[in-house]
Amino acid sequence: NAGVTQTPKFRILKIGQSMTLQCAQDMNHNYMYWYRQDPGMGLKLIYYSVGAGITDKGEVPNGYNVSRSTTEDFPLRLELAAPSQTSVYFCAATLGSGHSGNTIYFGEGSWLTVV
Amino acid sequence: KNEVEQSPQNLTAQEGEFITINCSYSVGISALHWLQQHPGGGIVSLFMLSSGKKKHGRLIATINIQEKHSSLHITASHPRDSAVYICAVGIEGTSGSRLTFGEGTQLTVNP
Repeated sequence: NAGVTQTPKFRILKIGQSMTLQCAQDMNHNYMYWYRQDPGMGLKLIYYSVGAGITDKGEVPNGYNVSRSTTEDFPLRLELAAPSQTSVYFCAATLGSGHSGNTIYFGEGSWLTVV
Repeated sequence: KNEVEQSPQNLTAQEGEFITINCSYSVGISALHWLQQHPGGGIVSLFMLSSGKKKHGRLIATINIQEKHSSLHITASHPRDSAVYICAVGIEGTSGSRLTFGEGTQLTVNP
């Protein structure tokens, strides 16, 4: 199993451009998440999904959109990129809800710079 | 005040030393996770615990639910242990569950 796979690993965007960060998992996990990690800060939840067709906002959803058409894929869309979206983005997956009994599997991260 | 506080923020040790990283939280939790993030960014789950103590190789994690505190210990530290260690707590709420992360502890182990 590859686990959680994110692409691209690095990307530079100009202000106002749009792009999609891809995330795929082959573990048949229901729950998927997108986090951003700013320097010296803890990970912040952008969006999450509890299963195909269901998504919900996290702590910092503004400027982003997601979709979950299949269990495997959870792409994150940035519309009209802004310098404040310069960050490292992590996709993650867990088998069940609540994190209480479930190991978290992270992707390798995507470094995004908006100039 | 953050719901999850880690200490210290930075820690430098000599190879072979015993290391302790602390995590305190201020809310009721369903579970606590210790994660490791290496240079280059990948994040790996080390432990998930809701009570007591877990051990994996040279790593030991403990949690005291009453005191809302957890510790991660590394015995016989090695330069390859150099990484950022992150504490995260699972919180169950009326609108669902969420994870809240500490800011991480940067550990450097010198040979």
